[in-house]
Formats: sequence, C-alpha cells, structure tokens
Amino acid sequence: GAVVSQHPSRVICKSGTSVKIECRSLDFQATTMFWYRQFPKKSLMLMATSNEGSKATYEQGVEKDKFLINHASLTLSTLTVTSAHPEDSSFYICSARNSGDSPLHFGNGTRLTVT
Amino acid sequence: QKEVEQNSGPLSVPEGAIASLNCTYSDRGSQSFFWYRQYSGKSPELIMFIYSNGDKEDGRFTAQLNKASQYVSLLIRDSQPSDSATYLCAVNPLYNFNKFYFGSGTKLNVKP
Repeated sequence: GAVVSQHPSRVICKSGTSVKIECRSLDFQATTMFWYRQFPKKSLMLMATSNEGSKATYEQGVEKDKFLINHASLTLSTLTVTSAHPEDSSFYICSARNSGDSPLHFGNGTRLTVT
Repeated sequence: QKEVEQNSGPLSVPEGAIASLNCTYSDRGSQSFFWYRQYSGKSPELIMFIYSNGDKEDGRFTAQLNKASQYVSLLIRDSQPSDSATYLCAVNPLYNFNKFYFGSGTKLNVKP
C-alpha cells in the first residue's frame, strides 16, 4: 500500500514555457502532499506543502508565482513550473503520507531539463 | 545547528560486512524516525521506520533508536553491492506531523 505515482518521469522544455508535474496517491487519500527539489549530489529541499482544498504553504525562498501548486482532490496534486529557465533544471519529487504517523512515500520523481 | 545530522561519508565496507549508519537529531520531542535509501538518479525509498526506543529488525536491516541520546542508527547485515546508495535519515517532530527533517545523507559503498 501507500503508492505515490508521479508523471512525467522526464521532461525537456524550452526556456519560457511551462511544465506541469502530476503527483497521485494511488491507494490512499492524501490531504497533504509535499514537493521536493534535489540538485545533483545535494540533499532534498522541501519546496512546498500542498494542502487539499486550500493554498499551498511555500518554504522560504521558493517563489509561489513560479512554482504553482494545485491540490484539487484528495489524490492529486500538481506542480507547474512557469516560465521555466535553465536554472530550474532539477529533479522534482513529490511525496505523501496516508495517516498522521505513517512514513512519507515518494513518487519516482521528475527530471526537468530546461534548454 | 541542523535538525538532523549525518556523516556524508562515503562509508566503505566489504561485501558481507555490517554497515552502520548513524544519525543525530536536535529536537528532543521528536516522535518518528525513518530511514530511506536513495540510489543515484532515483527518488528515496523507505527502508525502515521506528517510533520507540530500542531495536527494530526487518530482514538484514536493524534500526536502533536512543531518544535519551537523540541518536538513531541503521545497521545493514551481510552488506551487498546492491546496498550501495545514499541513506537518508528523516525525523518527524511531535509539534508538527507535517514536518519532516531530512539529513543530508550518508553515501555507502559496498565493495565486492
């Protein structure tokens, strides 16, 4: 149980375009999902906490107008990288937990390359 | 002071040996502790979680928690080359169940 599915796994886009990444909890409902970013050989960096039916909570230094998060249902959260730039190229990973004290389960991640 | 600290390694062990990975945390009120394995280019996958003081065993893996010392460890017995990865320690504080603090990870190399 507790499977998190993330799509796409890999995306290449041109500078100035927008990219949407989907994160789904397949066998549980997640009122909260988490979006992370990871640069090569670096640790996970929490970008934002996605809350179903309300606004996401962004970590300090993360531009909410650039990284749009929508948590429209209990099983789906999306991250849209708007007006992408090469420095946005990174590994984006979503995660969720199915109860208050359960572990975080991660999606397979999305490798974004902006050319 | 970071909330969760790990030695970045690399930790090198020969195949068949016991690998010992350590993690300390700063919030004494932390309740839940997790170990994740992350292969290069992949997302983290859950290895073990532990909530109570003492040892918890699952196959070749043993998680050890000492809340008095604010210390959690992961032992891997009979290490295999396929265990070579970065191991992340994560801590969930009592005051915010939606907050997870991750260590920067320890890179483990198991040499054949």
